[in-house]
Amino acid sequence: DAGVTQSPTHLIKTRGQQVTLRCSPKSGHDTVSWYQQALGQGPQFIFQYYEEEERQRGNFPDRFSGHQFPNYSSELNVNALLLGDSALYLCASSRASGGGDTQYFGPGTRLTVL
Amino acid sequence: GENVEQHPSTLSVQEGDSAVIKCTYSDSASNYFPWYKQELGKRPQLIIDIRSNVGEKKDQRIAVTLNKTAKHFSLHITETQPEDSAVYFCAARSGTYKYIFGTGTRLKVLA
Repeated sequence: DAGVTQSPTHLIKTRGQQVTLRCSPKSGHDTVSWYQQALGQGPQFIFQYYEEEERQRGNFPDRFSGHQFPNYSSELNVNALLLGDSALYLCASSRASGGGDTQYFGPGTRLTVL
Repeated sequence: GENVEQHPSTLSVQEGDSAVIKCTYSDSASNYFPWYKQELGKRPQLIIDIRSNVGEKKDQRIAVTLNKTAKHFSLHITETQPEDSAVYFCAARSGTYKYIFGTGTRLKVLA
């Protein structure tokens, strides 16, 4: 039973560039949430995708966008990168039926913006 | 806005002693409270969770208590072991799908 996977593991970009991060949910899960974790901080909710639509968003600018595919995998896109976007980006999957409470995290993508 | 405060930020205990981490949330509509353990360089791992219709939940050496009136919940680890050393995060589900995390507690278990 595959857990949550993310790619790439690490990424280095320069200011102003764009980046796409990918997430495959745990088998049987249909909901994907994305989080940004700065060094020494707790994860911050970016948004959640279900049925290929964004259904809730945290306090992040429109530079952060996402997508969910029919196979439930998801992408996080960040445009016009800023130095402050350097962080660990985590995705978490859950199953909408039965309350959809329990989230399982992927290993994360470490993004460094120079 | 919604907020979760977590204390202490660091905690050192002797092996075999108990550790307690406390969180307070601001959104009275929050109804689900998970706890995650994150080891250095690894993903957060769910260790226990509690829903708002329950006051306490226990799983072997780990327990969580919830006081809805005071809007706080706590993680209790008994008989701590060196492998319990990690950063622990509490979280509260605020609104329907949004999870708010605390700032983390670095637990160090001294052998």
